Amino acid sequence: KAGVTQTPRYLIKTRGQQVTLSCSPISGHRSVSWYQQTPGQGLQFLFEYFSETQRNKGNFPGRFSGRQFSNSRSEMNVSTLELGDSALYLCASSLGGVAKNIQYFGAGTRLSVL
Amino acid sequence: DQQVKQNSPSLSVQEGRISILNCDYTNSMFDYFLWYKKYPAEGPTFLISISSIKDKNEDGRFTVFLNKSAKHLSLHIVPSQPGDSAVYFCAAPRGETSGSRLTFGEGTQLTVNP
Repeated sequence: KAGVTQTPRYLIKTRGQQVTLSCSPISGHRSVSWYQQTPGQGLQFLFEYFSETQRNKGNFPGRFSGRQFSNSRSEMNVSTLELGDSALYLCASSLGGVAKNIQYFGAGTRLSVL
Repeated sequence: DQQVKQNSPSLSVQEGRISILNCDYTNSMFDYFLWYKKYPAEGPTFLISISSIKDKNEDGRFTVFLNKSAKHLSLHIVPSQPGDSAVYFCAAPRGETSGSRLTFGEGTQLTVNP
């Protein structure tokens, strides 16, 4: 079974631009969660989508948004990029029925904002 | 509010010896815990989990212990191997109905010396 696939692996953007990251979950998984990893803040939860609906949201500004498609694939968008948005963005998928479902992570997208 | 804490940023052990990684939590609502391992340039990989109805769970060289009264869990790796060198995160999901939202500790960098 294929794992979680994130594209692209690396991105370089400049301040003020916007970016879209993509995540394809494990086949059969209906929940997709997004996390941001930075050296200072560690792994922080962004949001979770389940059956095309946002089910949970972390403490991030509205510039961070996402969506999920009917095939469970998800995209994350960051608008008006700031230098502090430079981070590793990780996507995780799970069956999604309950919180104790194990989340499986992709390799991440490394975003650098210049 | 850091509800899951890993107070040791790094740990160095000799190959063949035991590695003990520690994690403390403050939220008494947490009833399920997971350990992930992360290599550079890869996403976190699930290792082992434990439910609060147990105080120990074992999987090969990996054992997780849970002390609910102390709000403390630990991951034991015996025997440690150089390939175990990675960052280890403990994590907890928030409850049954809150979907797949993991709270992570800061991580501990384990180095196993040959």
